[in-house]
Amino acid sequence: GAVVSQHPSWVICKSGTSVKIECRSLDFQATTMFWYRQFPKQSLMLMATSNEGSKATYEQGVEKDKFLINHASLTLSTLTVTSAHPEDSSFYICSASREGGFSYEQYFGPGTRLTVT
Amino acid sequence: GQQVMQIPQYQHVQEGEDFTTYCNSSTTLSNIQWYKQRPGGHPVFLIQLVKSGEVKKQKRLTFQFGEAKKNSSLHITATQTTDVGTYFCAGQAGTASKLTFGTGTRLQVTL
Repeated sequence: GAVVSQHPSWVICKSGTSVKIECRSLDFQATTMFWYRQFPKQSLMLMATSNEGSKATYEQGVEKDKFLINHASLTLSTLTVTSAHPEDSSFYICSASREGGFSYEQYFGPGTRLTVT
Repeated sequence: GQQVMQIPQYQHVQEGEDFTTYCNSSTTLSNIQWYKQRPGGHPVFLIQLVKSGEVKKQKRLTFQFGEAKKNSSLHITATQTTDVGTYFCAGQAGTASKLTFGTGTRLQVTL
């Protein structure tokens, strides 16, 4: 149990376009979902934390108008990169905490590799 | 803000040698987790430590949580080529707070 999927697994888009990434908890309800970004050979940096039905909490330095997060249900969160630029190219990973489980357990999705040309 | 550092950044060992990565947090943690990320892959959860001074073992891997709950270590005995990857520690300052990932240690193992 505790499987998290992401779609798409990779995407290439042109500069100036928007890209939506989906994160789904397949076999559990996720009270909280987290979005991370990882640049090559670097660590994971938390971008934002989202709870179902409420606004996401963004980390310092992350533009909320550029990275739109919607946590519409207990099994789905989406990250939309608006007006993408080459510097947004990165590996985006989501994770989810399970409702009823220990709040410190996070289950990670397989990640989405975004390339902006 | 909270910072989690790991040393070394990179280590290259020959198969059969031991390997240790050290993790240090700027603040006291409620728990620490360890993840392994293979090249091109996503982080995979290895273990969680909660208690001060806790030691846990998984086959050839030994994890320790410091007495002050600010540091941790991962030791691999007799490395194998399948151990190749980047090992991250990740700490939480409170039971419901965000995970702060360490800087990671990249392990290369050659025959």
